[in-house]
Amino acid sequence: AQKITQTQPGMFVQEKEAVTLDCTYDTSDQSYGLFWYKQPSSGEMIFLIYQGSYDEQNATEGRYSLNFQKARKSANLVISASQLGDSAMYFCAMRRIQGAQKLVFGQGTRLTINP
Amino acid sequence: DGGITQSPKYLFRKEGQNVTLSCEQNLNHDAMYWYRQDPGQGLRLIYYSQIVNDFQKGDIAEGYSVSREKKESFPLTVTSAQKNPTAFYLCASSWKSSYNSPLHFGNGTRLTVT
Repeated sequence: AQKITQTQPGMFVQEKEAVTLDCTYDTSDQSYGLFWYKQPSSGEMIFLIYQGSYDEQNATEGRYSLNFQKARKSANLVISASQLGDSAMYFCAMRRIQGAQKLVFGQGTRLTINP
Repeated sequence: DGGITQSPKYLFRKEGQNVTLSCEQNLNHDAMYWYRQDPGQGLRLIYYSQIVNDFQKGDIAEGYSVSREKKESFPLTVTSAQKNPTAFYLCASSWKSSYNSPLHFGNGTRLTVT
């Protein structure tokens, strides 16, 4: 079975600083995909970034990058130059490549950006 | 614009009543999903469907039922058998055969049962 662990229930960061949100996962699969989503207080889920288990390079999307360490089974999200609008819940999720393609989510980290 | 529509945004019901949450997508996605989110928690999978007329139980299917008669629609019924139905419900869709395509989510329905 797959499991996602996000160990930081809440984080407080000063505006313009970089922030790293931790995510570790447990799976016996060799092929899988890792996703990060942002959930503002309004409730919608916004897709941020994807990393495949066989991707050699860390994924980047604008201010978001993924620090992927396959041997350690970690997929940390890095947000550079944080902004007030980055305050939200952030979820790490995993999907198997074979079989049913449901997404399994972690418990989330609440990020607060202080001015 | 393509997207997923969930209605209503807020729903109130009395205990013992069944209630159906609507989810419609015009993204032409094959797969659809229902997740439940409790306050301060992650998302837990209730049901998912990869093709029309077929669906599978997720991790917390007890007390819920679904149907998938059309590709665009995946309604969720919260039955009176669900012990703690008050929660935020999110519907999502994705391409079936693309493991790297993200799930697209609706804006959610907040259900309160008293």
